[in-house]
Amino acid sequence: QVQLQESGPGLVKPSETLSLTCAVSGYSISSGYYWGWIRQPPGKGLEWIGSIYHSGSTYYNPSLKSRVTISVDTSKNQFSLKLSSVTAADTAVYYCARVIWTVTPEAFDIWGQGTMVTVSS
Amino acid sequence: SYELTQPPSVSVSPGQTARITCSGDALPKQYAYWYQQKPGQAPVLVIYKDSERPSGIPERFSGSSSGTTVTLTISGVQAEDEADYYCQSADSSGTVFGGGTKLTVL
Repeated sequence: QVQLQESGPGLVKPSETLSLTCAVSGYSISSGYYWGWIRQPPGKGLEWIGSIYHSGSTYYNPSLKSRVTISVDTSKNQFSLKLSSVTAADTAVYYCARVIWTVTPEAFDIWGQGTMVTVSS
Repeated sequence: SYELTQPPSVSVSPGQTARITCSGDALPKQYAYWYQQKPGQAPVLVIYKDSERPSGIPERFSGSSSGTTVTLTISGVQAEDEADYYCQSADSSGTVFGGGTKLTVL
């Protein structure tokens, strides 16, 4: 079955860049679907960060767009998130997910387990 | 961008019917999706395209849409249904989640 697994540093210093990778198993990224990132601050709700197609086409949350880069590596069957100039407000559990789509990305049908990232000096 | 509004909490006794609403001006034009999230776990998609149920989701979960409001209905609520529920929608400008509703099974 399709599985997603996030990886990356659990602690990032303020003003630095948060980098996470999502490894996909059981499905080839190149076969279709968008792939996305969502985050959840402690005790709060879900926030969509952005989504990417295997071709590299991206959609970003307008509120984060200036700081976010999502990329895909089809040779490694994984996709990545970079969030620059982080502050304590970026402390959250970060999830990667498979995105079902029609004309545009729609929703998230398979999720990774999530990884906690804390921004602190 | 637009907003999706959910009640912060809903309480129901076991065996009763729980209804969780989600309101947003874009909902007449866009599909709505619902996720269940239990503590310490990733969200799980329970309803897609307003009223479709993914395989493996119990039949007691259903969705409906009327105008600017979509509703997740859980019939015959069980203790295991206690969780946070989020609605979500999307358009060409991106994806939006509602604030979430905590379902308490009394």
